Amino acid sequence: GIQVEQSPPDLILQEGANSTLRCNFSDSVNNLQWFHQNPWGQLINLFYIPSGTKQNGRLSATTVATERYSLLYISSSQTTDSGVYFCAVERGPGNTPLVFGKGTRLSVIA
Amino acid sequence: NAGVTQTPKFRILKIGQSMTLQCTQDMNHNYMYWYRQDPGMGLKLIYYSVGAGITDKGEVPNGYNVSRSTTEDFPLRLELAAPSQTSVYFCASSRRQGTGELFFGEGSRLTVL
Repeated sequence: GIQVEQSPPDLILQEGANSTLRCNFSDSVNNLQWFHQNPWGQLINLFYIPSGTKQNGRLSATTVATERYSLLYISSSQTTDSGVYFCAVERGPGNTPLVFGKGTRLSVIA
Repeated sequence: NAGVTQTPKFRILKIGQSMTLQCTQDMNHNYMYWYRQDPGMGLKLIYYSVGAGITDKGEVPNGYNVSRSTTEDFPLRLELAAPSQTSVYFCASSRRQGTGELFFGEGSRLTVL
């Protein structure tokens, strides 16, 4: 099956710093989503981004499908950004569920 | 809208007991999923359903059963609970696969002793 690798596995930032999280996948995909799991365990969908670039406030994401990677950018990080960020992909043609990476654990320190 | 609702949020079971985790969604989504998350790990798919009356196995289905009698409900049954089933269970739904954003419930933390 498709493999999803996220890096780095852990990241510690000072509040106000910027960061880039990476997701590599082993095959072509027609669905890629980024999720944030907050310290209370709640999973929130951040982006649906099988290709291209999207921005939502301080967060943005870019997927280069031809090179099989996606990047999540967090600017001016805040302590509320702490948690685990998951990338999940679905291989085409659209009949299989999402496969999750192991996540990047982000800690933002005040 | 409540979104995806899971019950119970916490449960402790003894080895060999059985229980059902309930999941319901009010978004009229066709697709529903059960994932488990072990400490420090990503999510692994247990079972999924593409519509009422249709279910399929995911990556780790052993020890679990599901049913989908209505669009709204997708219960997960644990038979003969084992310590290896200690985990956090997430139910999720999407309008469709391929282009559907995934929405999660708040999770159910299960401990088997």
